[in-house]
Amino acid sequence: SQELEQSPQSLIVQEGKNLTINCTSSKTLYGLYWYKQKYGEGLIFLMMLQKGGEEKSHEKITAKLDEKKQQSSLHITASQPSHAGIYLCGADLMDSSYKLIFGSGTRLLVRP
Amino acid sequence: DAMVIQNPRYQVTQFGKPVTLSCSQTLNHNVMYWYQQKSSQAPKLLFHYYDKDFNNEADTPDNFQSRRPNTSFCFLDIRSPGLGDAAMYLCATSRVGWGEGNQPQHFGDGTRLSIL
Repeated sequence: SQELEQSPQSLIVQEGKNLTINCTSSKTLYGLYWYKQKYGEGLIFLMMLQKGGEEKSHEKITAKLDEKKQQSSLHITASQPSHAGIYLCGADLMDSSYKLIFGSGTRLLVRP
Repeated sequence: DAMVIQNPRYQVTQFGKPVTLSCSQTLNHNVMYWYQQKSSQAPKLLFHYYDKDFNNEADTPDNFQSRRPNTSFCFLDIRSPGLGDAAMYLCATSRVGWGEGNQPQHFGDGTRLSIL
């Protein structure tokens, strides 16, 4: 969706390296969701962010929502081949809405 | 484990031959969604059920229909599939209501539809 831009579109990193994926909107992000998708499979929920400045971590993955609530980043520390997949951000662009708009995803490949 | 289950994982149909995809959930969520995802694209919402209320997206073709006979099951019917309907179809569920706040959607593994 053009309402939600993800960058980069694809990323190849060496195992052990850190990486960051960005998700940007011109509108306020009332809820921002990060998902991971393996090829040919469904979306796996990673994290949800709602408040400006919020940051959440799970294992080696950290997600942040900026103070203006228009940009989120997903950071992976010491990447592993198991991190490979497509990372999608989904956003609620209307307060109290339960319908999500998705970015087109970032395809991550981690080389052993 | 509570989950969202889609059947079949792969479906092949002929051009113009009706096809039905199914989704079931054990999460007891009140909202169920159907998305279409084409290669390297974002999932696109087709429609959703809020409890028994059907909500169609404005740009969803009439060729796509849905049924939700009970809380646990939801079906996607494609009346006359065209070559452009080949895609991954994803079912998702969420819990929505007063006091629930924002809740994530939970997805099934998808059904990949091919049209011959």
